[in-house]
Parts: sequence; structure tokens; C-alpha cells
Amino acid sequence: QKEVEQNSGPLSVPEGAIASLNCTYSDRVSQSFFWYRQYSGKSPELIMSIYSNGDKEDGRFTAQLNKASQYVSLLIRDSQPSDSATYLCAVGISSGSARQLTFGSGTQLTVLP
Amino acid sequence: DVKVTQSSRYLVKRTGEKVFLECVQDMDHENMFWYRQDPGLGLRLIYFSYDVKMKEKGDIPEGYSVSREKKERFSLILESASTNQTSMYLCASGTGNQPQHFGDGTRLSIL
Repeated sequence: QKEVEQNSGPLSVPEGAIASLNCTYSDRVSQSFFWYRQYSGKSPELIMSIYSNGDKEDGRFTAQLNKASQYVSLLIRDSQPSDSATYLCAVGISSGSARQLTFGSGTQLTVLP
Repeated sequence: DVKVTQSSRYLVKRTGEKVFLECVQDMDHENMFWYRQDPGLGLRLIYFSYDVKMKEKGDIPEGYSVSREKKERFSLILESASTNQTSMYLCASGTGNQPQHFGDGTRLSIL
């Protein structure tokens, strides 16, 4: 069973702090990694994609990938109350005839004003 | 921007009814997916399709079927709705190694 594990939280950080979200995965041949943000009652929204080891920055968001350790993380700098949401880690696998995503259960983040 | 459109945001049906959920994407993606999301259980894959008329079962296909007659449209069918199929249903599309993009979701209640 290919698995993606996330700390379920909830994680609370004060406004302006750095929020750190972590994810581990079990399938060593995974090639693509994504972070989605999901507000309550809404659908997941893609915020970051990363495919190679190292860091990738986009505005206040940084994704970090370490394939040797099978670990991917998301840092949110200068956290804002509007960042309060559930963050889903997704790992791409080739299974059957199409590339699928395996999702973690999500980490609930609350940014306190 | 990728646009994935689900036909209904909210739907209420009765036990035993045949229910159709429709999804349309505008990016010519070859892959389309149906998930359901329940509190504490996360996103679970029901079915996916990698080409017109081609489909594969996901993790929880029981009680569901799908149809893909055109590349842009992927339908989820509940053959005989039951109360345990009350859930949020999410359609997504994607291509190759790229991320999947989700529709707004359909919150389905079976009474």
C-alpha cells in the first residue's frame, strides 16, 4: 500500500510566523509532489508543485523535497489569517494506465491574529 | 487557467434513485478522476479515465460506475443511491506528470 503521511494537526501559529508542514511518502519511485490548500467546504487548490530535490520558492511559499529521505515539506513565511486552511500533500505515482495522486490526510493550519 | 466544471454544487436525492454527476474540463486533459471526501477519511479515488471510453477502478468503486463518451466529459453514476454515499464528490483532470486540477465539488445528500 503506497502511503502518504502528514501530521494531522491542528497546527496553530501566530500571524507573521513561519508555518512548517511536513509529509513523508513510502513509494521510492514517486516523481511528482504537490501541495494543495483546501478551505472548509471548498475543493483543493494547487499551491505548489515540485519534481526535483531541493527548494522551490513561490512568493511566501517554499516547497522542499528530499527524495533520499522520502520527505517533502511546505514552509509558509509571514503567515496570514487567510492561510488558515487544510493543506494536502499529494504524491504522483504511475499505476495502471494513468498517473495518479496519492493524498495525505491533510494538516489543518490555523493562523492566529 | 484550467477550468473543471461540475454540474451541481448541492444535490439531494432519495435512496434507490439513479444519480448522475457530471464533470467537464476545458484543457484537453487525457486523464480525469472522481474522488469522494469524507471527514476523517480524506480523499478517496473512486474511478479514473485515461482516454475516451477507457476507465479504471480506484480504491472504492463499489456502488459506482462511470462514463466517458467525450474527452472533455466524465460522468459518475450512482446506480442505486444509498445513504452511505452521502459525501462531497470531487472531479479532477490532469495530464502526464502535471498536477490534477479540481472542480468546485458536489455535496450530495442521499435521504
